[in-house]
Order: sequence, then C-alpha cells, then structure tokens
Amino acid sequence: DQQVKQNSPSLSVQEGRISILNCDYTNSMFDYFLWYKKYPAEGPTFLISISSIKDKNEDGRFTVFLNKSAKHLSLHIVPSQPGDSAVYFCAASALGTYKYIFGTGTRLKVLA
Amino acid sequence: ETGVTQTPRHLVMGMTNKKSLKCEQHLGHNAMYWYKQSAKKPLELMFVYNFKEQTENNSVPSRFSPECPNSSHLFLHLHTLQPEDSALYLCASSQDPRVPGELFFGEGSRLTVL
Repeated sequence: DQQVKQNSPSLSVQEGRISILNCDYTNSMFDYFLWYKKYPAEGPTFLISISSIKDKNEDGRFTVFLNKSAKHLSLHIVPSQPGDSAVYFCAASALGTYKYIFGTGTRLKVLA
Repeated sequence: ETGVTQTPRHLVMGMTNKKSLKCEQHLGHNAMYWYKQSAKKPLELMFVYNFKEQTENNSVPSRFSPECPNSSHLFLHLHTLQPEDSALYLCASSQDPRVPGELFFGEGSRLTVL
C-alpha cells in the first residue's frame, strides 16, 4: 500500500505560468513533508519542506501548501522556467522514525 | 570534495558476481541511507544507519549486505543478484534521522544485473 501518492506522472506548463504539483498521503502520523527535484543522471536535490504545524511555506518561486484534513500537499512554482523541467518527488516522515516515504514522482516539462 | 559521493556511477554484473557500492559523505552527518529507485516505482528505503548502527532494514533480501564502518562511509555489498535488482541505488545522509530534516543524496549508482 502506497502511503505517499503522486497521481500525475507528468505535467506540461508554459514558461512564465504557474506549475502545481500534487501529493496525497494516507498516514496521519506523517508530520514533516519535503519536495525534491531530480534531473536525469543526478541524485534528488532538496527543494522545500513543511512541518505539520504550518499550512504554507514559501521560498522564492516555490511555495508548498499543506492541507492536513485532506492529507494533501501541493508545490507551486511561479513563474515556471525551462530549468525547472525535472522529476519532482514528495516525501513524508513521522517524527521519531527513521523513514522518509517517497511518492513515484511527477515529471514537469516547462515549455519555452 | 563536498556532499555525498557514490562510486561506481555505473556497474554491470552477472548473477554470480560479488561487487560493492560505496558511499562517502563529507557533511558531518550522523545518519546514512540506502534507497533503491526502480523504473516507475517510488524510491524504496533499504537501510538506515544512525551513528554507525543499523536502525532500519526494510525487509531487504540478504543478497544485499550493508556495511557502515564509520559515520562518513557506507557500503552495499552485492552477491548473487537477480536481473530484477537492476536499478538506481541512491545513498543519502542526514544530520539526525530522529529529527525530520533534509536528506542529501548522492548521484546514484546505476546497477545492471545480467
């Protein structure tokens, strides 16, 4: 049973527009969430995180929103740039555990 | 060197071979992880080491054998693998796995089992 789900395997967005990547989770014990970006032939790199005590965290063009009641988080990228084209993974963790559970990823393509 | 370094980047081995993947982190972190990434599947946690002690073995077959001689080095010893073990193996580190925070990943070792 997949505890972290990214139901959209791919997304195409025009340069300058907003990209919205979604992630759903099932385990109510998760209290920390992260987004990673991965380019081909490279390891994932950390983008932004959010703790369950918040519902929004912003870092430059990247904003993560958390809806605990819906067990849903989303990553907004605005404005989108061609260099943002990559695979984006969301991950979740529970305090005191050693596990980060990852989703399957969403491939974002930003069209110039 | 900085960050998390994995060698080799690519490895092709037969089912009867024995090989090892190496990971080194230069971040002063206390925890190290092995993840497996197969096509169209989520990153799967394999092992976690915290202060050189294994704290998580996520039901990984015994043909994968981890070793953590110190907090900076992590190995994954491979023997009698199967073709379905072909995947990207990612090493990661973090400051303390008991406190959620950022994982720092290496670039991965692409393994092909013939």
